[in-house]
Amino acid sequence: GDSVTQMEGPVTLSEEAFLTINCTYTATGYPSLFWYVQYPGEGLQLLLKATKADDKGSNKGFEATYRKETTSFHLEKGSVQVSDSAVYFCALKTGGFKTIFGAGTRLFVKA
Amino acid sequence: DAGVIQSPRHEVTEMGQEVTLRCKPISGHDYLFWYRQTMMRGLELLIYFNNNVPIDDSGMPEDRFSAKMPNASFSTLKIQPSEPRDSAVYFCASSYTDGRRGGELFFGEGSRLTVL
Repeated sequence: GDSVTQMEGPVTLSEEAFLTINCTYTATGYPSLFWYVQYPGEGLQLLLKATKADDKGSNKGFEATYRKETTSFHLEKGSVQVSDSAVYFCALKTGGFKTIFGAGTRLFVKA
Repeated sequence: DAGVIQSPRHEVTEMGQEVTLRCKPISGHDYLFWYRQTMMRGLELLIYFNNNVPIDDSGMPEDRFSAKMPNASFSTLKIQPSEPRDSAVYFCASSYTDGRRGGELFFGEGSRLTVL
């Protein structure tokens, strides 16, 4: 079945460090791919998305590129801030409208 | 615009009691999803509706769980009787069919349930 695998956390970085959170997926067909972010005590919110191969999603300095050949959608940011501390979820959506989430990666950014 | 609204935000109850969680989706959205989040199992899809009709309830853990959507602006998730292992954060999310690929989810703030 369809699935999402993302790197385990927690990830701890100093402010202004480079961030990569790896995400790979297994899916039949051509899914849409997403990164969601969850701040403490809140629901998930969309960070960025890509709907077809080679698309790059970007938002708030975060980027991810839909790589069909490697079935990956890695999240990157060039310079993280303390306010980026949160849990990040990689997800895919198939034509059946079900969204499948990875386990989440907790990010801590130290000042 | 108002987002997805869930109530209650926190619920503490005793084992065996009935629990009802409520959700108001974003107006105009035709999909509604109920998820459960725990440390051990992450985010699990319990059930989802399209135009108020349940489409897939294969994630509902057992018969103690039921969900309804009597109209486009309201849904409930009921647990009867509740058990300690039901303790989790329950999220409602809505989405819409826009004819394009994508269809991101809009989440409520969640209902944190503790069953003693």
